[in-house]
Amino acid sequence: KQEVTQIPAALSVPEGENLVLNCSFTDSAIYNLQWFRQDPGKGLTSLLLIQSSQREQTSGRLNASLDKSSGRSTLYIAASQPGDSATYLCAVSHDYKLSFGAGTTVTVRA
Amino acid sequence: DGGITQSPKYLFRKEGQNVTLSCEQNLNHDAMYWYRQDPGQGLRLIYYSQIVNDFQKGDIAEGYSVSREKKESFPLTVTSAQKNPTAFYLCASSARGQADQPQHFGDGTRLSIL
Repeated sequence: KQEVTQIPAALSVPEGENLVLNCSFTDSAIYNLQWFRQDPGKGLTSLLLIQSSQREQTSGRLNASLDKSSGRSTLYIAASQPGDSATYLCAVSHDYKLSFGAGTTVTVRA
Repeated sequence: DGGITQSPKYLFRKEGQNVTLSCEQNLNHDAMYWYRQDPGQGLRLIYYSQIVNDFQKGDIAEGYSVSREKKESFPLTVTSAQKNPTAFYLCASSARGQADQPQHFGDGTRLSIL
């Protein structure tokens, strides 16, 4: 059974600092890995999708890396802003479904 | 705008009552999914449907039922057999029911017990 873990569960940083969010998974037989953002009481917004054959994806201030062999992905957010405050979820795709981590709740202090 | 619409946003259930959550998509996607989210936990898959008139149980299907009579609609019924229904329910869709397809999510329905 695929297990997805996100550490830390919560993170608080001052504005301008770079964010590093970690995701690990137990079964490397995945098709892709997605990073999502969730605002309180809202649905999920897809940030980045990395196919299993890729090592990283970038979008603006966001960069996600994938090391499938070690079962790890890292989401970097450069120069954090208060608007980046949210919960970030990673999910791995396998067997026609997604398995999610519990998320990292980020607070960026102005 | 294409997207996924979930309704209602908030729903309250009485003891012994069945309630139905609506999910509609206009993305022309073949596959649709229902997830449950509890505080401090990741999303868990309840049911999924890869094509019209077909659906499969996910990891936590007990106490729930679904139908897929139309491509754009995938309603979820929370039955009285579900003893702990209080949660945030999210519907998603993907172009095809294959593991390499990204999933797109609605804004969710929060269900509480009266």
